[in-house]
Amino acid sequence: GDSVTQTEGLVTLTKGLPVMLNCTYQTTYSPFLFWYVQHLNEAPKLLLKSSTDNKRTEHQGFYATLHKSSSSFHLQKSSVQLSDSALYFCALSDNSGTYQRFGTGTKLQVVP
Amino acid sequence: NAGVIQTPRHKVTGKGQEATLWCEPISGHSAVFWYRQTIVQGLEFLTYFRNQAPIDDSGMPKERFSAQMPNQSHSTLKIQSTQPQDSAVYLCASSLDQGWQNTLYFGAGTRLSVL
Repeated sequence: GDSVTQTEGLVTLTKGLPVMLNCTYQTTYSPFLFWYVQHLNEAPKLLLKSSTDNKRTEHQGFYATLHKSSSSFHLQKSSVQLSDSALYFCALSDNSGTYQRFGTGTKLQVVP
Repeated sequence: NAGVIQTPRHKVTGKGQEATLWCEPISGHSAVFWYRQTIVQGLEFLTYFRNQAPIDDSGMPKERFSAQMPNQSHSTLKIQSTQPQDSAVYLCASSLDQGWQNTLYFGAGTRLSVL
């Protein structure tokens, strides 16, 4: 069945540095990938999404490119801010009509 | 638009007691999902409804968990005989429909603590 893997549980970075959060997936169907962000004590909310192979998607300074050849949808930002500290979830949907499956999440901690 | 509303925000139960969690989806959204969030497992799918009909409950522990959607404005998740391992944040989400490209809009969750 479908699955999503996020390899980093915690990423700690100094403000101003670039970040990449890893996301890989498995599905036998056509994939649709999402990144959700959850700030402390808040609801998860959509950051960006894509189903187009090799096209960069951007929102709020974050960007990701779906690569079907490597089954990846890594989230990147060129310069992290203190306000980016949050939990980031990668999620997978597909055209089989199933629900979105989530990875275990990566906590991003940005320090001064 | 108030977003997805979940009540209560926090619930504390004793082992063996029943817990009922409530969710009011965004008006006009036809799909409602329940997920359970823990540090170890992340977001685990429990069940979902489309136009109030149960579609997939494959993530629900069969014996003690049940979910209903009696009308388009609310859904409930009931846990009977709660156990310490049920302690988690339970998230409800809604989307415009069940289409594979649709964004999930989450509520703030109910934090269940079983003592």
